[in-house]
Amino acid sequence: NAGVTQTPKFRVLKTGQSMTLLCAQDMNHEYMYWYRQDPGMGLRLIHYSVGEGTTAKGEVPDGYNVSRLKKQNFLLGLESAAPSQTSVYFCASSYTAGSNQPQHFGDGTRLSIL
Amino acid sequence: GQNIDQPTEMTATEGAIVQINCTYQTSGFNGLFWYQQHAGEAPTFLSYNVLDGLEEKGRFSSFLSRSKGYSYLLLKELQMKDSASYLCAVSGSRRSDKLIFGTGTRLQVFP
Repeated sequence: NAGVTQTPKFRVLKTGQSMTLLCAQDMNHEYMYWYRQDPGMGLRLIHYSVGEGTTAKGEVPDGYNVSRLKKQNFLLGLESAAPSQTSVYFCASSYTAGSNQPQHFGDGTRLSIL
Repeated sequence: GQNIDQPTEMTATEGAIVQINCTYQTSGFNGLFWYQQHAGEAPTFLSYNVLDGLEEKGRFSSFLSRSKGYSYLLLKELQMKDSASYLCAVSGSRRSDKLIFGTGTRLQVFP
């Protein structure tokens, strides 16, 4: 009964380094999302995908790239990490069948950029 | 523009009732969600409203008025484990299911 799994759970990077965050879901959901959560700012959408092979920009996409090569996986990449990208990152997924389907969230990745 | 407002913090006593308000202004509306988030954990789904009125689920109820751009989450018989943040989120578009989140209301329940 895994649901949405994010790896890694914690990571510390140096400015300029790159890394990829992995999100995997086993619920056969079409839609997947990447959010960041910062104190006092709530959840903000970075990128999302409405199906395998598709991606779209959210509210705060700069400095991030994503890929959805397989339906169950959604990868978030940081090309050149900056201290402003220190945050908690949440992945979520949902069905396509109308907006009464809630998003299911992973446990988050806590990322610190030094 | 898109704007969702919630109080930042609230406190209540165990066994009491608390109402958490949410007002929204969005370019579209296709439903409103409430999520609960305990500190250091993932948000979990509580309720969904798309029509005006009250939806009841055990100790939790959620109300929506589309004409007023207003919702509230009502928590009854408060328990210590209800101490958490409560996030209001609006779905503005049927096409993408994108949610716009408020900043959340941190509720502390005291004995």
